[in-house]
Amino acid sequence: DTAVSQTPKYLVTQMGNDKSIKCEQNLGHDTMYWYKQDSKKFLKIMFSYNNKELIINETVPNRFSPKSPDKAHLNLHINSLELGDSAVYFCASSSTEETQYFGPGTRLLVL
Amino acid sequence: GQSLEQPSEVTAVEGAIVQINCTYQTSGFYGLSWYQQHDGGAPTFLSYNALDGLEETGRFSSFLSRSDSYGYLLLQELQMKDSASYFCAVRDEFKTTALIFGKGTTLSVSS
Repeated sequence: DTAVSQTPKYLVTQMGNDKSIKCEQNLGHDTMYWYKQDSKKFLKIMFSYNNKELIINETVPNRFSPKSPDKAHLNLHINSLELGDSAVYFCASSSTEETQYFGPGTRLLVL
Repeated sequence: GQSLEQPSEVTAVEGAIVQINCTYQTSGFYGLSWYQQHDGGAPTFLSYNALDGLEETGRFSSFLSRSDSYGYLLLQELQMKDSASYFCAVRDEFKTTALIFGKGTTLSVSS
């Protein structure tokens, strides 16, 4: 009965590879998000997705692309991975913007 | 632009009371949220203040002063399990559906 789930939990890959992270929520929320948390624990919004409207943080490289097959899923695809992409990626969902429910995170390490 | 300032670290002993302050700068303010994150875990929602005053939830309370652009999280009867990072957050003034987080305050509780 996990509210927001992500797979995989850990991802170790080589520079230049393409990878995807999957996210699913069973809370019935309309809005989903991807956040990136760096090594200094700074949490930064990457994308928000609401009823097929995608809002992109302009600082996110276009190598990152979210894909939502339905309201309960928001996957993150990353092309041509770089060393600086190493971070923890959190998926979240909300019914109100103030109360967001986070997934367990995906720890990405690019070698 | 938007910014949130909070102390980077706070230390306290079990049973004590600790206050984590947050000052914010944003043109479109809806309210101030607080999230807790244990090491290796996901951020979890603690509280939200839209109006001035104190909101109490068990051992945790949160305060907001809109005129001072200031809020705080008050943790009472500290327990070892309260050792975590605490983030204040406001809604993104442009996109509104995402949260902008402060850099977090690491609370260390010792016995």
